[in-house]
Amino acid sequence: EVQLVESGGGLVQPGGSLRLSCAASGFPFNNYAMNWVRQAPGKGLEWISYISRNSNYIHYADSVKGRFTISRDNANNSLFLQMNSLRDEDTAVYYCARDLSDSSGYSDGMDVWGLGSTVTVSS
Amino acid sequence: ETTLTQSPAFVSATPGDKVNISCKASQDIDDDVNWYQQRPGEPSIFIIRDASSLVLGIPPRFSGSGYGTDFTLTINNIESEDAAYYFCLQHDNFPLTFGQGTKVEIK
Repeated sequence: EVQLVESGGGLVQPGGSLRLSCAASGFPFNNYAMNWVRQAPGKGLEWISYISRNSNYIHYADSVKGRFTISRDNANNSLFLQMNSLRDEDTAVYYCARDLSDSSGYSDGMDVWGLGSTVTVSS
Repeated sequence: ETTLTQSPAFVSATPGDKVNISCKASQDIDDDVNWYQQRPGEPSIFIIRDASSLVLGIPPRFSGSGYGTDFTLTINNIESEDAAYYFCLQHDNFPLTFGQGTKVEIK
């Protein structure tokens, strides 16, 4: 069964850091680009980052550029999101999602989603 | 950045109804729109690819149409299990962007 499971969320103070993980199973992880998407309480979805299969191409939303870092470990079928300098507005459920594209650097959108990990930024 | 304007925000339907959800892009994005269904406590489900291609395993009462800037998700003969939040995504350019979403309620 194709599955994505996020972990690492929690409560953090403004200015703090958190590292999210996404464990992939049921498919050849190194064949797929991946994304992080978030959804703030009562809001719509916001794409925040993309990483190609071999990590050669990475994209970020302006809202997180310079604060968040996406990475992956293909040997261990894992995707990561390092979040630094967290702000109140980063409070959201964070989803990892597999990309459909087989072309590095491009996205065809997502086809598989995890259940999400909740991040709360509050003092 | 491509803005997607999705409407309506909420729709209440009776089983058997036809429901249309619109997604309008701020610029021409060819057919680079996908549609998804999200139910509480479940992973989002991919239902339409590239504006009009039904994803394998999705019931044929779901369909998509459109090209350029105007896109529509249609649910024919809606069933109670279709109660969910639906959203569109454009993957024509980065940053990827989503519509604001539509909550579908079944009476």
